Amino acid sequence: EAQVTQNPRYLITVTGKKLTVTCSQNMNHEYMSWYRQDPGLGLRQIYYSMNVEVTDKGDVPEGYKVSRKEKRNFPLILESPSPNQTSLYFCASSFFGTSNEQFFGPGTRLTVL
Amino acid sequence: LAKTTQPISMDSYEGQEVNITCSHNNIATNDYITWYQQFPSQGPRFIIQGYKTKVTNEVASLFIPADRKSSTLSLPRVSLSDTAVYYCLVGPLSGGNNDMRFGAGTRLTVKP
Repeated sequence: EAQVTQNPRYLITVTGKKLTVTCSQNMNHEYMSWYRQDPGLGLRQIYYSMNVEVTDKGDVPEGYKVSRKEKRNFPLILESPSPNQTSLYFCASSFFGTSNEQFFGPGTRLTVL
Repeated sequence: LAKTTQPISMDSYEGQEVNITCSHNNIATNDYITWYQQFPSQGPRFIIQGYKTKVTNEVASLFIPADRKSSTLSLPRVSLSDTAVYYCLVGPLSGGNNDMRFGAGTRLTVKP
């Protein structure tokens, strides 16, 4: 089944404790991205990647890192999480240049205490 | 980046046709119009995409006038399960999806 998976789905952590949210897709998509969704602010893009080893900042990259060592994986890293990073995170993937259809993962609800 | 404007919310009743209009006055020649649906606590789901005139699939129809400055998503005979937020996005295919932005969307509530 074609899908985007994220892990963990739920996470409660404390300020400053490094964490990684994994994202994986099995559709051979070139393009992958991370969004966060907060009430009243909609979906905002954090980072995106147009292919392996190619990443760039989205609209709200501060406090986040990403890497794209393999085509299928695009982990989101919070080196020192803070309470303002409490949010619902979505990973998405798509083909590059042929469609604007993005496939979204199920979401990761992160709480930073 | 082409900016889009949609109504914040709409109400409808089961069995009715719902039309959600999106305004995108500064759409570029190579921009496409894409609509997504999002249920609470789920990721957005692609509904339909078009460039001009009319596009129809098993879920919805998309009407785009000749000047392309607006578009209308039409949902036939809605049911309670169509209650969701609907997003209109505009952007080129060649830029990946980084040239498109999710706005606030339109919150559709379908009542029995």
